[in-house]
Amino acid sequence: QVQLQESGPGLVKPSGTLSLTCVVSGGSISSSNWWSWVRQPPGKGLEWIGEIFHSGGTHYSPSLKSRVTISVDKSKNQFSLNLNSLTAADTAVYYCASLDFGGWLDYWGQGILVTVSS
Amino acid sequence: EVVMTQSPATLSVSPGERATLSCRASQSINGNLAWYQQKPGQAPRLLIYGDFTRAAGVPDRFSGSGSGTEFTLTISSLQSEDFAVYYCQQYNNWPPLTFGGGTKVEIK
Repeated sequence: QVQLQESGPGLVKPSGTLSLTCVVSGGSISSSNWWSWVRQPPGKGLEWIGEIFHSGGTHYSPSLKSRVTISVDKSKNQFSLNLNSLTAADTAVYYCASLDFGGWLDYWGQGILVTVSS
Repeated sequence: EVVMTQSPATLSVSPGERATLSCRASQSINGNLAWYQQKPGQAPRLLIYGDFTRAAGVPDRFSGSGSGTEFTLTISSLQSEDFAVYYCQQYNNWPPLTFGGGTKVEIK
């Protein structure tokens, strides 16, 4: 079974850049799945951020597209999220997830809380 | 972008009773809908996808139905472990993936 684990700083400053990594185990990042990031502000719902294929192809949320970069490192079986120009509104639990080619998110990481504050 | 709307926001149900959760899409999504369950402090868990297929390990008291723009998640007899927040997500017009706002199922 595929497992995912997020890592990165839990506190970042306003106007700074959030950088998170998701390590995939129990499966290859070069499979037919896409690899996705989803976030959830405290007490609120889920928001899709974007996705990447092992070839490097990406899709991003239109509302975040100007600030987001997702990359993949096949040698380490991991993918990463960069989100810049942070504000308090970016405070959220960030999840990485496996996105089946059919379109559903079948495996999720445990999530990491990132707080944007000075 | 397809907007997903879930209702009600909160559903109060007694253990053993049936729960019916609704999800509406702003345009037809041809059944390309998934349902997730999220418990406090946990990541979402895939419940139903595709042609209303239950994910591995999901009890058969969970079922999905609907077509076009109107969909329903039914929990036939609520167990204590089913009290959680449920989200629908469309993948017909993807990207972007879009989620509903969630329905919280609480103990009555």
